[in-house]
Amino acid sequence: GAGVSQSPSNKVTEKGKDVELRCDPISGHTALYWYRQSLGQGLEFLIYFQGNSAPDKSGLPSDRFSAERTGGSVSTLTIQRTQQEDSAVYLCASLFALNTGELFFGEGSRLTVL
Amino acid sequence: EDQVTQSPEALRLQEGESSSLNCSYTVSGLRGLFWYRQDPGKGPEFLFTLYSAGEEKEKERLKATLTKKESFLHITAPKPEDSATYLCAVQALGYSTLTFGKGTMLLVSP
Repeated sequence: GAGVSQSPSNKVTEKGKDVELRCDPISGHTALYWYRQSLGQGLEFLIYFQGNSAPDKSGLPSDRFSAERTGGSVSTLTIQRTQQEDSAVYLCASLFALNTGELFFGEGSRLTVL
Repeated sequence: EDQVTQSPEALRLQEGESSSLNCSYTVSGLRGLFWYRQDPGKGPEFLFTLYSAGEEKEKERLKATLTKKESFLHITAPKPEDSATYLCAVQALGYSTLTFGKGTMLLVSP
């Protein structure tokens, strides 16, 4: 596809369950970001991948959060033992060139933890 | 720590009523300041990048300006389709991540 694709678009889960969110970036984009957007809050940085370099995990809020990027393309964000405060929209973005700052965002995965 | 503060939180305009949105920032060294537009249920969409004080960028009814402490997004003669949340973000020198503000929700009434 032409844009960043995220799935699922909506996920409702019970507290304590694990969830996986998927991001398929734009082909040829070497950088991939995950952000979280909670109601009334700004976008919160989670993790950043650039090529084959070690990811920048400095934004992950706890060790229940992890992410991987396979083959330099598709990324999966995993949240273990979900808590109600994890409820948010998880946004993925890809970037072609670091000097532009022009992130291309997907439409997000809305996670609701009951 | 980089900080971005946007004001007002919400703004209601009549069609044709020009106004400005403010983005104040604190960053150790600015690599770039970015404006994005976000429609409900969608991901943010890139609008502008500004790199240095005094720089201006324009796109249709939008004009972004930058000083050493803040940026303004001027909206001239807005239309209802300009209704959206406008996000400001900064990137510090040597860093790859963007720090976002909470946004300004703009509603333009016909």
